[in-house]
Amino acid sequence: DTEVTQTPKHLVMGMTNKKSLKCEQHMGHRAMYWYKQKAKKPPELMFVYSYEKLSINESVPSRFSPECPNSSLLNLHLHALQPEDSALYLCASSQEAVAGIRNEQFFGPGTRLTVL
Amino acid sequence: AQSVTQLDSHVSVSEGTPVLLRCNYSSSYSPSLFWYVQHPNKGLQLLLKYTSAATLVKGINGFEAEFKKSETSFHLTKPSAHMSDAAEYFCVVSEPTSGTYKYIFGTGTRLKVLA
Repeated sequence: DTEVTQTPKHLVMGMTNKKSLKCEQHMGHRAMYWYKQKAKKPPELMFVYSYEKLSINESVPSRFSPECPNSSLLNLHLHALQPEDSALYLCASSQEAVAGIRNEQFFGPGTRLTVL
Repeated sequence: AQSVTQLDSHVSVSEGTPVLLRCNYSSSYSPSLFWYVQHPNKGLQLLLKYTSAATLVKGINGFEAEFKKSETSFHLTKPSAHMSDAAEYFCVVSEPTSGTYKYIFGTGTRLKVLA
C-alpha cells in the first residue's frame, strides 16, 4: 500500500465548531506532515511529527491542534477557526532520513476546508 | 538557508512540443531536489528526485531533469507535451532542520497545453 488517505474530502464548518481532519498511511513511514495550501500558492508546512513526537511547529495558531496517536495515523483538530483558514489541507509521510539521505514525501489528496 | 526559484510562473506549449520548466536552487549542502505535479484540487505527486546519484534523473510520464551544480539548476523537461500534463509543477529542496528535514517549495509553474 503506497498511499496516504485523508478524510473527509470536503469540510464546511462554522467559526464556533470543533472538527478533526484525519490522515492515515500504512507504508511504515515514521515522519508525518501537515501542510496548508491556499489557492495558486505552494503548500506551507504547519507541523512535522517524527516517531510520533512533534518535532516542528511552524508557529501555527493554537486553534489548530495536531495529534499523532500511532505511527500510521495523524489528526488535525480544529476549533474556533477563522474564514481565512479556508484552504486545502494536505497530509504527507516519508521515511525518516538515514545516513543523510533525504527521502521523498508522499502526499494525500487533501481535505478542502471552508470556514463560514 | 536553502531556497528554490522557479523562473516562470506560467508556461504555455502546444501539444506534442517540448516542455521546459526552469528551477534554480541555493544550498549550502549537497542538495536533495524534487519535482512534484499537482492537478486541480488534488494532492502532490512525485515526478522525480535527485539525491546525489546520477545527474540526469528520469521520472514518471516521460519527464526528466538534469542536476547542474555549476549552474545551480534542476530544470524539468519532457520531449512531447500531452494535454494531461496541464497542471501546477513545484520544484522542491529538502532542508535539514531540528533533527529532521523539511521541504522548501518553489512558487510553482502553471503549465498550459494548447491543442
